[in-house]
Amino acid sequence: QQQLVESGGGVVQPGKSLRLSCGASGFTFSRYGMNWVRQAPGKGLEWVAVISYDGGDKYYADSVRGRFTISRDNSNNTLYLQMNSLREDDTAMFYCAKARVQLATVAGYDAFEIWGQGTLVTVSS
Amino acid sequence: SYVLTQPPSVSVAPGKTATITCEGDQIGRKSVHWYQQRPGQAPVLVVYDDNDRPSGIPERFSGSNSGNTATLTISRVEVGDEADYYCQAWDSDSDHVVFGGGTKLTAL
Repeated sequence: QQQLVESGGGVVQPGKSLRLSCGASGFTFSRYGMNWVRQAPGKGLEWVAVISYDGGDKYYADSVRGRFTISRDNSNNTLYLQMNSLREDDTAMFYCAKARVQLATVAGYDAFEIWGQGTLVTVSS
Repeated sequence: SYVLTQPPSVSVAPGKTATITCEGDQIGRKSVHWYQQRPGQAPVLVVYDDNDRPSGIPERFSGSNSGNTATLTISRVEVGDEADYYCQAWDSDSDHVVFGGGTKLTAL
């Protein structure tokens, strides 16, 4: 059974950093692009970042570019999101999501087939 | 930047057909995906590549995409279909994934 489990969320002060992790199981992690998506309380889904199956391509939403970094460790089946210079409007549930098609040439083109249950990030002084 | 526009809410009587639209400039040229999100839960993919269903998704869920509008159709709506629905597409001009604002489906 394919599964994604996020961790690393919590309460952090504005300007501080946090690193989220997403552990994958039940599929060959190294063959799939991965995404981070967030959802502020009571709001809709907002795409954050995507990384290709081999880590060679990365794209970011304008709201996080330069502050957040997506990365992956294919030997340990883990996806990361390093978040720096956090702001109060970064407060959200953060989900990792697996692309549907393996070895996709365009990392963000595909549907998000599997989602984790999310990890909550609260930025507050 | 590319924008996808959905109606905030759609109401339909159980047993009837619900139609949720997603508007975007020449969206018919893109592949559109749809997600269902029940309260307190993670999103679930219900339609991908305009009109394909993942395994386990009922045939009552279908999609179409042409011109400036993509559509998710839910036939024989059940109370259990009440949820927020989001459309998604890839904008190759900006290399961004784009989500619609979401539509709350109410079965009443």
